[in-house]
Amino acid sequence: LAKTTQPISMDSYEGQEVNITCSHNNIATNDYITWYQQFPSQGPRFIIQGYKTKVTNEVASLFIPADRKSSTLSLPRVSLSDTAVYYCLVVPMDSSYKLIFGSGTRLLVRP
Amino acid sequence: GAVVSQHPSRVICKSGTSVKIECRSLDFQATTMFWYRQFPKQSLMLMATSNEGSKATYEQGVEKDKFLINHASLTLSTLTVTSAHPEDSSFYICSARDRLAGLYNEQFFGPGTRLTVL
Repeated sequence: LAKTTQPISMDSYEGQEVNITCSHNNIATNDYITWYQQFPSQGPRFIIQGYKTKVTNEVASLFIPADRKSSTLSLPRVSLSDTAVYYCLVVPMDSSYKLIFGSGTRLLVRP
Repeated sequence: GAVVSQHPSRVICKSGTSVKIECRSLDFQATTMFWYRQFPKQSLMLMATSNEGSKATYEQGVEKDKFLINHASLTLSTLTVTSAHPEDSSFYICSARDRLAGLYNEQFFGPGTRLTVL
């Protein structure tokens, strides 16, 4: 499994765009990238996933460069409720593969 | 979206007793469910993979006789913490994968169960 590295914590202010970058130098050809969000005392919640280039949904965008050795989760105009831990995972396209969580990035959004 | 529930959401028990935690996929069938444990300020740690109709696969360092997992149906997996001790106090989270899902391994997580052992 490809190891991921992301900042331990980030601070931001309401209304700002937040970009969280994750490094995954050993990503394999059949791996894709997925991001989860976790609030205190809750289970993780899926945010977005992608294989290459850019993916956008109603919550976030995911930018993946051509070499796929990193990815950036972009949260537009964050609010206080976006304060959470964000996990970047690299997962093989295998129907039964387990998810291994790294340390995640603790995002604090200030008023 | 797909919903996974856990019961109970919170449990307090005495040392030496056993506690059962249920994980249910409410609107989909899950041939595979996963159990995680999370200590305060730490990441999720995968404990075991639960496969419907077969024995669970435990991660290294997880005692299978202490954490009993049963996946008797396509919508229910249970985790029993046997002879619980204070060090077993943690947040237990399950996840489930829709058996009809495509290539992407999207999993849906339950809300977690807070176990406190006195």
